[in-house]
Amino acid sequence: NAGVTQTPKFQVLKTGQSMTLQCAQDMNHNSMYWYRQDPGMGLRLIYYSASEGTTDKGEVPNGYNVSRLNKREFSLRLESAAPSQTSVYFCASSPSGQGFNSPLHFGNGTRLTVT
Amino acid sequence: QKEVEQNSGPLSVPEGAIASLNCTYSDRGSQSFFWYRQYSGKSPELIMFIYSNGDKEDGRFTAQLNKASQYVSLLIRDSQPSDSATYLCAPEGGKLIFGQGTELSVKP
Repeated sequence: NAGVTQTPKFQVLKTGQSMTLQCAQDMNHNSMYWYRQDPGMGLRLIYYSASEGTTDKGEVPNGYNVSRLNKREFSLRLESAAPSQTSVYFCASSPSGQGFNSPLHFGNGTRLTVT
Repeated sequence: QKEVEQNSGPLSVPEGAIASLNCTYSDRGSQSFFWYRQYSGKSPELIMFIYSNGDKEDGRFTAQLNKASQYVSLLIRDSQPSDSATYLCAPEGGKLIFGQGTELSVKP
């Protein structure tokens, strides 16, 4: 089982460039999430999708957009990258957004550097 | 006050000792909690889930929840160097917020 697959694993961008981080899960989960992790800041939610066709802002959505393409795929787009977006990005999925059955399953992360 | 707070550490314990990791939360509506472990350079993985007051044991790991005090903890008995990682506390559902994590170092 692949679980949650993120691409790319590493990326270097110049300020102002755009890119899309891809995420796909094969566990038939309803909910998907994008987090960023910075030293000393823990995991911060950028956007999430409780179910196919819905997306909602998290704690730090500015500078990002998302698309829930179908039940399996949830992409994160940086339209105009800034050095402050240098971080490790994790995609995660869960069977549902609430309840006992909602632990998060994480992808391996994307390490993004913006120069 | 942050919604979920953990001591950032690092917490250093000798091999074989008990490691105690603590988490406090501000939302009285939080009913259950997850503990995740994150090795350096890796993604978080679920290790414990607790939803009722008291203790829940799984092998060397014991999670404790005290809803009146808004406090949840993770005890690791007989700590091993392989337990060296960052441990993240997260309330189930709600705003999907994580604590900042406690770095644990187990010295041989």
